[in-house]
Amino acid sequence: EAGVTQFPSHSVIEKGQTVTLRCDPISGHDNLYWYRRVMGKEIKFLLHFVKESKQDESGMPNNRFLAERTGGTYSTLKVQPAELEDSGVYFCASSQDRGFGAKNIQYFGAGTRLSVL
Amino acid sequence: DAKTTQPTSMDCAEGRAANLPCNHSTISGNEYVYWYRQIHSQGPQYIIHGLKNNETNEMASLIITEDRKSSTLILPHATLRDTAVYYCIVRANFGNEKLTFGTGTRLTIIP
Repeated sequence: EAGVTQFPSHSVIEKGQTVTLRCDPISGHDNLYWYRRVMGKEIKFLLHFVKESKQDESGMPNNRFLAERTGGTYSTLKVQPAELEDSGVYFCASSQDRGFGAKNIQYFGAGTRLSVL
Repeated sequence: DAKTTQPTSMDCAEGRAANLPCNHSTISGNEYVYWYRQIHSQGPQYIIHGLKNNETNEMASLIITEDRKSSTLILPHATLRDTAVYYCIVRANFGNEKLTFGTGTRLTIIP
């Protein structure tokens, strides 16, 4: 079974440009999460999808960030326009279910390293 | 989410048991203790979680004190591949499901 996959693994863009990150969750996982680590800081939660609906977007830093999950499968995170402080590693995670037990464990992808120059 | 406190760094000799402590004195009754680790340049990796009973899986053991204010992750026979940053996270199992990562413990396995 494939794990959480993220694309691209690394993106280098100039300030003001647009970048779109993609996350493919584990097949059958309804819950999808985005996190990021910016330079020198801790990993921070961005948002949580349940299928195609945004359950919690309290961690989204500002309106330059737009996350979508059309059809409840893969998700994209668009940054437009990118700023220098957006540089960091963006992680995606998925879990099968909510509630108790093993089904709500979040499994992470390898991340996308975003460099804004 | 309750806050956790972990030592900044630890060393452990290869082949020995690595014991990583975590304090979570403000944990609520419905909050679980989760452990993840991040090996350099990889995404966080789930290790184990528990509520109040001790847990063991193929990777590690989790010992939670009776008052649930602290816990210890045990890697029984540490190898060089266990060198990583280990995160202790407390999280409600339903509702607010985001993981709140702190600074973690940087564990270095010494050959």
